[in-house]
Amino acid sequence: NAGVTQTPKFQVLKTGQSMTLQCAQDMNHEYMSWYRQDPGMGLRLIHYSVGAGITDQGEVPNGYNVSRSTTEDFPLRLLSAAPSQTSVYFCASSYMVSTTDTQYFGPGTRLTVL
Amino acid sequence: DQQVKQNSPSLSVQEGRISILNCDYTNSMFDYFLWYKKYPAEGPTFLISISSIKDKNEDGRFTVFLNKSAKHLSLHIVPSQPGDSAVYFCAASGTSGTSYGKLTFGQGTILTVHP
Repeated sequence: NAGVTQTPKFQVLKTGQSMTLQCAQDMNHEYMSWYRQDPGMGLRLIHYSVGAGITDQGEVPNGYNVSRSTTEDFPLRLLSAAPSQTSVYFCASSYMVSTTDTQYFGPGTRLTVL
Repeated sequence: DQQVKQNSPSLSVQEGRISILNCDYTNSMFDYFLWYKKYPAEGPTFLISISSIKDKNEDGRFTVFLNKSAKHLSLHIVPSQPGDSAVYFCAASGTSGTSYGKLTFGQGTILTVHP
């Protein structure tokens, strides 16, 4: 199993550009989520999905869109990038929606918005 | 409003000694707590967890203690090894309500273990 994979590893955007961060898992996990990590803030939940076709907002959803058309993939879209979205983005997945189920994280995407 | 706080940004210990990382939380709905470890350029990996029905959970060199009345938990690493040098995140979740299944993270503590 490859686990949770994320592409790209690094990305530089100009303000106003759009892009999609890709996340995929091959563990047949139902629950997937996106976090951003900023200095002094820890990881904050952006959006999450409890299964294909079902998504919901986390703590910091503004400026981001998600969709979940398959169990394996959970892309994160930035519609119009802003410097405040400069961050490291992590995708995570777990077998089911359960507080006690271990979440597995991808290696992250480092995004810089100029 | 930081519901999970790690007030020590960094901790430096000598190899073989005990490392104690602390975490405080404010949300009374949290009843499940986890520690994640993160190396540079990698995603966080799960280390150990504890349910609110317990006050201690042990896994090898790692022990997590929970003090519900103080809303405080700590991670003890004994003995500390240079390979333990990483960022440690405390996280909390609830088994019901709006925090169900969602992790709220602290800011992280950078642990450095010197040989």
